[in-house]
Amino acid sequence: AQTVTQSQPEMSVQEAETVTLSCTYDTSESDYYLFWYKQPPSRQMILVIRQEAYKQQNATENRFSVNFQKAAKSFSLKISDSQLGDAAMYFCAYRSSGLGGSRLTFGEGTQLTVNP
Amino acid sequence: DVKVTQSSRYLVKRTGEKVFLECVQDMDHENMFWYRQDPGLGLRLIYFSYDVKMKEKGDIPEGYSVSREKKERFSLILESASTNQTSMYLCASSFSGTGLVYGYTFGSGTRLTVV
Repeated sequence: AQTVTQSQPEMSVQEAETVTLSCTYDTSESDYYLFWYKQPPSRQMILVIRQEAYKQQNATENRFSVNFQKAAKSFSLKISDSQLGDAAMYFCAYRSSGLGGSRLTFGEGTQLTVNP
Repeated sequence: DVKVTQSSRYLVKRTGEKVFLECVQDMDHENMFWYRQDPGLGLRLIYFSYDVKMKEKGDIPEGYSVSREKKERFSLILESASTNQTSMYLCASSFSGTGLVYGYTFGSGTRLTVV
């Protein structure tokens, strides 16, 4: 079974600075998807960014980018020019692309605080 | 613009009660999921369904059951609520097949307290 680990329960960053959230996963599969979700205090989970494992190029969405290291099974999220609205719980998640691959496996989450 | 709706935002129930958590999606998604979220444990899958009347156990199904009579609705049932089921419950839905790449759409959660 796949597992996802986020080793940083809490992180903090100054407004306008850059922060990187770590995520590692364990799988024997070669094709899969990885996601970062954001959960603000409103509790609504929001998809931040996704990465398809067969793509070597790191995904980028505005101020959010990932560092995908397939061999190391690492998928970190970099937030540039941090804003107060980025404060939230962030979850890393894995999804198989094979049959029965509809479920997401989540990490424990990282609580990000943005200081003004 | 609401796409996944959970019937209650907060719920307080007594030990031993039968509890129903309802989830409705309007995106014609094949897959629907129930997770519970606890601090330090992330989201853990309780049950999921990939089609009407179909269900699969997740990682922590004990004490729960589910029902999916219509494609858009997926219900989580706590047969006899216990205090260790106090948690945040999140419903989600997704496409299958090539739609897997898009991840889930989540509801806004039900915070259940069992007293």
